[in-house]
Amino acid sequence: EVQLVESGGGLVQPGGSLRLSCAASGFTFRSYEMNWVRQAPGKGLEWVSYISISGTTIYYADSVKGRFTISRDNAENLVYLQMDSLRAEDTALYYCARGRYCSGGSCFEDYWGQGTLVTVSS
Amino acid sequence: EIVLTQFPGTLSLSPGERATLSCRASQSVSSSKLAWYLQKPGQAPRLLIYGASSRATGIPDRFSGSGSGTDFTLIISRLEPEDFAVYFCQQYVSSPGTFGPGTKVDIK
Repeated sequence: EVQLVESGGGLVQPGGSLRLSCAASGFTFRSYEMNWVRQAPGKGLEWVSYISISGTTIYYADSVKGRFTISRDNAENLVYLQMDSLRAEDTALYYCARGRYCSGGSCFEDYWGQGTLVTVSS
Repeated sequence: EIVLTQFPGTLSLSPGERATLSCRASQSVSSSKLAWYLQKPGQAPRLLIYGASSRATGIPDRFSGSGSGTDFTLIISRLEPEDFAVYFCQQYVSSPGTFGPGTKVDIK
């Protein structure tokens, strides 16, 4: 069974940092592209970042470019999102999702974790 | 960036009825790279349809997708109690992939 489990969310002050992790199991992690997608409270879905199978190709949404860094560890079946210079508008539930039929970092996501909540507030 | 519009915003129906949800793109979504997701309160989105009309693994055949170019449709032939939720469309033909604002299907 495919499982994606996010962790690392919490309350942080504006300008602060958090590192999200996503632990994958139930599939050959090193063979799949991965994404982070977020959802602000009561709002819709926003793609945040993409990482290729090898980790050498990475894309970011304009709203987080220069502040967030995605990475992966294929030996440990983990994907990360380092979030720096956080802003109030980054408050959201952050989902880790497996990407399929990706092109230029744009994929559909066939499996999603349950999300980890990031709240940016003073 | 391709902007997706979904309508109606809310659809109020009874169990057993047919639901028709629409998704319109601001530019052509070539190769029908359009997906549909269902999201229940407090849960992660679940993939229903990809490639505009291909059902994802385990999705019952009462869900069907169609369309091409800029206009796409999701049909639920007979609503079951578990189908009352929010439905999002997504295009993945160009970066960034974008989602529609969602259609809420609630119980009449």
